[in-house]
Amino acid sequence: GEEVAQTPKHLVRGEGQKAKLYCAPIKGHSYVFWYQQVLKNEFKFLISFQNENVFDETGMPKERFSAKCLPNSPCSLEIQATKLEDSAVYFCASSQSPRKETQYFGPGTRLLVL
Amino acid sequence: EDKVVQSPLSLVVHEGDTVTLNCSYEVTNFRSLLWYKQEKKAPTFLFMLTSSGIEKKSGRLSSILDKKELFSILNITATQTGDSAVYLCAVDGNQFYFGTGTSLTVIP
Repeated sequence: GEEVAQTPKHLVRGEGQKAKLYCAPIKGHSYVFWYQQVLKNEFKFLISFQNENVFDETGMPKERFSAKCLPNSPCSLEIQATKLEDSAVYFCASSQSPRKETQYFGPGTRLLVL
Repeated sequence: EDKVVQSPLSLVVHEGDTVTLNCSYEVTNFRSLLWYKQEKKAPTFLFMLTSSGIEKKSGRLSSILDKKELFSILNITATQTGDSAVYLCAVDGNQFYFGTGTSLTVIP
């Protein structure tokens, strides 16, 4: 497609539950990036993929967070045993290159952990 | 510790005013500094700066980088209500770091 698609738009989970977010990159883009935005302004890079391979995972929390990009499937970001502080908007972006300035952002998934 | 600091945190101006937003950084293995505009949803890319002293310009917006003093500024001249947004600065180095943003409100 011509836009990065993220589903669901909103997700509500109780503490301790699992959350799974999906991202379909723009057709032809081989790089996918995940970001977390807490409290509107605190934007944090999590992980990036080149096709199915992890490209950069320097921002990924060591526990509870995992991500995959498998062939012919949307990419996913999964949070096990969610905590209140995981409440955030999670943005996905895609690009034809790893260069940050060429990324197209999706509309985000708002996760609320109660 | 690597960090990106933006100032001011928020700013309210009248239409027609000129604003300067600041971004200072301490990031290992600096590669580039990027400015984004975020309105209701996802950020949109404004500028990428890699070299000191070269101004990037797009309409009423311009930006410059000082790699010696480790900062960048984003200028907006003749502000309009449509410029109201959060402006994010990000620095690409060993990791990709974002500042906390400057919230700009332009009132008619």
